[in-house]
Amino acid sequence: DAKTTQPNSMESNEEEPVHLPCNHSTISGTDYIHWYRQLPSQGPEYVIHGLTSNVNNRMASLAIAEDRKSSTLILHRATLRDAAVYYCILDRNFNKFYFGSGTKLNVKP
Amino acid sequence: DTGVSQDPRHKITKRGQNVTFRCDPISEHNRLYWYRQTLGQGPEFLTYFQNEAQLEKSRLLSDRFSAERPKGSFSTLEIQRTEQGDSAMYLCASSAGTGNSPLHFGNGTRLTVT
Repeated sequence: DAKTTQPNSMESNEEEPVHLPCNHSTISGTDYIHWYRQLPSQGPEYVIHGLTSNVNNRMASLAIAEDRKSSTLILHRATLRDAAVYYCILDRNFNKFYFGSGTKLNVKP
Repeated sequence: DTGVSQDPRHKITKRGQNVTFRCDPISEHNRLYWYRQTLGQGPEFLTYFQNEAQLEKSRLLSDRFSAERPKGSFSTLEIQRTEQGDSAMYLCASSAGTGNSPLHFGNGTRLTVT
């Protein structure tokens, strides 16, 4: 399994940036790094993914370390609706997605 | 985009009964996945289809579990002789199947085995 390591929980203030770290030291050359988030009683929701270069979309930014052994999901201005469990996973061989326990993000007003 | 839909949303059954869940993926998606999630844990991979072919099954998937995807469209997950340990959220996801396409999840079926 392609394993990732994330902190169990993090806290942020509303309207401040949030940096969610992820370690994936066993990443292989063709593994994509994906981030999903999950609100209570809902299925996970895709956030962003990348291979080597940093990526931006309307939801977040993904910063990937040069050696690709770690990455950081950046929420530029956290809102209360961003409170969720965030999962960092590796897409191995384009068809295997193994989730860890994720990081529970709490956003304080 | 109607998204991935799962039916039913909730199922309560007695131990020993059989249950079947349905998943309708996004129409143009050729990959379909089943996951199981228990409280406080991330989703666990169960199985995966490319069109109608079931390409991989997790070691977690006992013989009591079977999944099908006839004609490469909707999929069903059946659990025979349910046990209390089968109580969980069962999630279905689909993807376009082009390289690193992201997963699109449904909101799951919550199974409670009494």
